[in-house]
Amino acid sequence: GAGVSQTPSNKVTEKGKYVELRCDPISGHTALYWYRQSLGQGPEFLIYFQGTGAADDSGLPNDRFFAVRPEGSVSTLKIQRTERGDSAVYLCASSVQTLDRGKAGANVLTFGAGSRLTVL
Amino acid sequence: AQKITQTQPGMFVQEKEAVTLDCTYDTSDPSYGLFWYKQPSSGEMIFLIYQGSYDQQNATEGRYSLNFQKARKSANLVISASQLGDSAMYFCAMREGANNQGGKLIFGQGTELSVKP
Repeated sequence: GAGVSQTPSNKVTEKGKYVELRCDPISGHTALYWYRQSLGQGPEFLIYFQGTGAADDSGLPNDRFFAVRPEGSVSTLKIQRTERGDSAVYLCASSVQTLDRGKAGANVLTFGAGSRLTVL
Repeated sequence: AQKITQTQPGMFVQEKEAVTLDCTYDTSDPSYGLFWYKQPSSGEMIFLIYQGSYDQQNATEGRYSLNFQKARKSANLVISASQLGDSAMYFCAMREGANNQGGKLIFGQGTELSVKP
């Protein structure tokens, strides 16, 4: 697609429920990132995929959070037993992986519009 | 320890004037990249400008320039000729390691810029 697409744009759920958030990256982008942004804060890194594998999952806060990218394209962030503290905007980003030096090698992240999760 | 520090929670600037948004960073890696993003009230993160640690010259993109002072570990964003549409949150971010290897960006807390008519 033309941009990074995230669904749903808004999700309201009850404490303890299971939630899935979907990210469809830009076609051809091999790297995919998940971030969480709380109100008034900068985006907080959760996990990064290179192809199908998680290259860095050091930002996942606990084992209730899990993400997959089975075919190297669409990714799903899964949150089990949601808590009120999970309420935030979940941002997905993708980048093309280039080994070029200079500006093209910046591997700039292109972000989606985010999924706003509210846990009641 | 915070890797990216933005000390200005909010800034005001008069339309058509220039403004500098501060960013300092902390890393022991000689290879890194610095990024600035804009986030309007609509919520989408918009990439503005990039500076590599080995770049000899300060990056410029239209009205945006990055004042890169490596010894001071600062990467301030300068916006010239401010426009009302520049009102937004601005985030500084860093990627450690060679940028062509990819990897996560670490973001600062942001600075809210308000442009006055």
